[in-house]
Amino acid sequence: EIVMTQSPATLSVSPGERATLSCRASQSVSTNVAWYQQKPGQAPRPLIYGASTRATGVPASFSGSGSGTEFTLTISSLQSEDFVVYYCQQYDNWPLTFGGGTKVEIK
Amino acid sequence: EVRLLESGGGLVQSGGSLRLSCGASGFTFSSYRMTWVRQAPGKGLEWVSSISGGGGTSYYADSVKGRFTISRDNSKNTLYLQMNTLRADDTAVYYCAKEPGVGGWWFDPWGQGTLVTVSS
Repeated sequence: EIVMTQSPATLSVSPGERATLSCRASQSVSTNVAWYQQKPGQAPRPLIYGASTRATGVPASFSGSGSGTEFTLTISSLQSEDFVVYYCQQYDNWPLTFGGGTKVEIK
Repeated sequence: EVRLLESGGGLVQSGGSLRLSCGASGFTFSSYRMTWVRQAPGKGLEWVSSISGGGGTSYYADSVKGRFTISRDNSKNTLYLQMNTLRADDTAVYYCAKEPGVGGWWFDPWGQGTLVTVSS
């Protein structure tokens, strides 16, 4: 099983600043990584697939990068609605696996 | 608009069974692979099971293999998850999700989820 490790678990950032979230795979997953945003009480919403392609309707303030085992989600300028939880997921191999999540909180 | 609506959750005793349903609309259901993902209270996301568009191929997490069965009725645009021999650690919100048909097994969109509580 491929283990996806997200860091940090909690990220404290001021509104308007940039946030950089990391996700590391225990073995290479090529670019088969997706990122999701989850607001309290809601289902996850896809942000990025293929490591760097934004899903439909996702603003350009969200960007993804990486390949192999190291991946990054960057939020260029944090808005109030962005202070929630983010998950990465690999879909290169079965079983499909998610990272443990990064909570972005207001500094 | 693509819509997924889960139902069938509830309170069940340990060792019991439950069947979840996910009604789909807004797309050609049989053309898309579907998945169940769960989230225990206050915890992260866990993939549970996936099924091909025609229903002939399915995949399961080790934690549910042999106890859960995924299926679909393409004539009714409905996805199912039959859950048997339920345990306390199966307690979670269960989401159904659609594979978008672009670039592999990622999920877009997700349903709103249905809560399954297993009492010990």
